Amino acid sequence: DAGITQSPRHKVTETGTPVTLRCHQTENHRYMYWYRQDPGHGLRLIHYSYGVKDTDKGEVSDGYSVSRSKTEDFLLTLESATSSQTSVYFCAISDRGPADTQYFGPGTRLTVL
Amino acid sequence: RKEVEQDPGPFNVPEGATVAFNCTYSNSASQSFFWYRQDCRKEPKLLMSVYSSGNEDGRFTAQLNRASQYISLLIRDSKLSDSATYLCVVNGGYGQNFVFGPGTRLSVLP
Repeated sequence: DAGITQSPRHKVTETGTPVTLRCHQTENHRYMYWYRQDPGHGLRLIHYSYGVKDTDKGEVSDGYSVSRSKTEDFLLTLESATSSQTSVYFCAISDRGPADTQYFGPGTRLTVL
Repeated sequence: RKEVEQDPGPFNVPEGATVAFNCTYSNSASQSFFWYRQDCRKEPKLLMSVYSSGNEDGRFTAQLNRASQYISLLIRDSKLSDSATYLCVVNGGYGQNFVFGPGTRLSVLP
């Protein structure tokens, strides 16, 4: 299994609070991604990174920001959590680019009350 | 029309059965194709890449038809452990990110 961890694995928070999710990899892969998965939808891309300090928006980026200060860490921040952001969040990595095989972390289950 | 569509499922099949999943994609510029499997409350894991010539890995066979923009996955001699959701994944065009289908759930029954 690819060396990808996510923290926390579960979180319950209240509307309006900031939340930061962390993805950590030990594979030295250049590309990292944040997805959310909701019933009735496929995985949807929130943001991705193509190198340290290089990030771009995905399909559902509103309400989320990201940062990547080191190759191994990719942070996802919900500045002011809303109930619509209740979801399962997956981090993924790939080596050669967005069309390359992606390997996923174990996920973070976030509930916003 | 959604970018990637899959059989809605669920598929309930007995052990030993052969089952086929279908997937269609809308972007003719897509270049990379994959099948992932996802167990309940787990992360997606790569099952196999799909090549133009078709490819086989044990009991699993994947086919790609670029003209019809169609991908298939065939599972022969189904095992209980094959029970999962199968995700069709296509990249959105040259250098573009993945687009995931909604998945098809398979239950293999004893």
